[in-house]
Amino acid sequence: AQRVTQPEKLLSVFKGAPVELKCNYSYSGSPELFWYVQYSRQRLQLLLRHISRESIKGFTADLNKGETSFHLKKPFAQEEDSAMYYCALHNTGKLIFGQGTTLQVKP
Amino acid sequence: DTEVTQTPKHLVMGMTNKKSLKCEQHMGHRAMYWYKQKAKKPPELMFVYSYEKLSINESVPSRFSPECPNSSLLNLHLHALQPEDSALYLCASSPGQERNYGYTFGSGTRLTVV
Repeated sequence: AQRVTQPEKLLSVFKGAPVELKCNYSYSGSPELFWYVQYSRQRLQLLLRHISRESIKGFTADLNKGETSFHLKKPFAQEEDSAMYYCALHNTGKLIFGQGTTLQVKP
Repeated sequence: DTEVTQTPKHLVMGMTNKKSLKCEQHMGHRAMYWYKQKAKKPPELMFVYSYEKLSINESVPSRFSPECPNSSLLNLHLHALQPEDSALYLCASSPGQERNYGYTFGSGTRLTVV
């Protein structure tokens, strides 16, 4: 069965520190993976798609099929990065979310 | 217009009431979705419409009834809900259901069942 696992409920770092939000998936096939972000009192919005291999707001994510991971990284965290981050897998017309990780960036 | 608009933003209803949630997009997207989100939990898929036809129902109780009158509109009709149905109901759209180019989400309707 397809599943997305985000092992950390909360990740707390200081401003300027590197950030890595972990995401592992289980899926037999070629996955379509995404990161979504939900800032306080704002709507859920797409941050990254693995297929486009882009960098948004300094965040990158690389698909590692061997480790079935799609970790989100940023070299220097900013306070405005504080939000809830969801890793998501798209399969057979459905987008399935992980449990989410709250990123807290302290000044 | 690059947004998904949901109305109302807040709704309080009794267990015997009938109400409807509305979702609208004018991006030409052909797939639309309803999700339910409880506090501090991820969104859970309820329904998927593709080209105005219901393509996925995630075993949602019949007290939730979706409707897609046209390619821009998606409704969720509510009847005889339970207090545990209180949640944030999110609508989303995407260009198509088959490949995911990324969903655009609305800001949601916060539903309280009393």
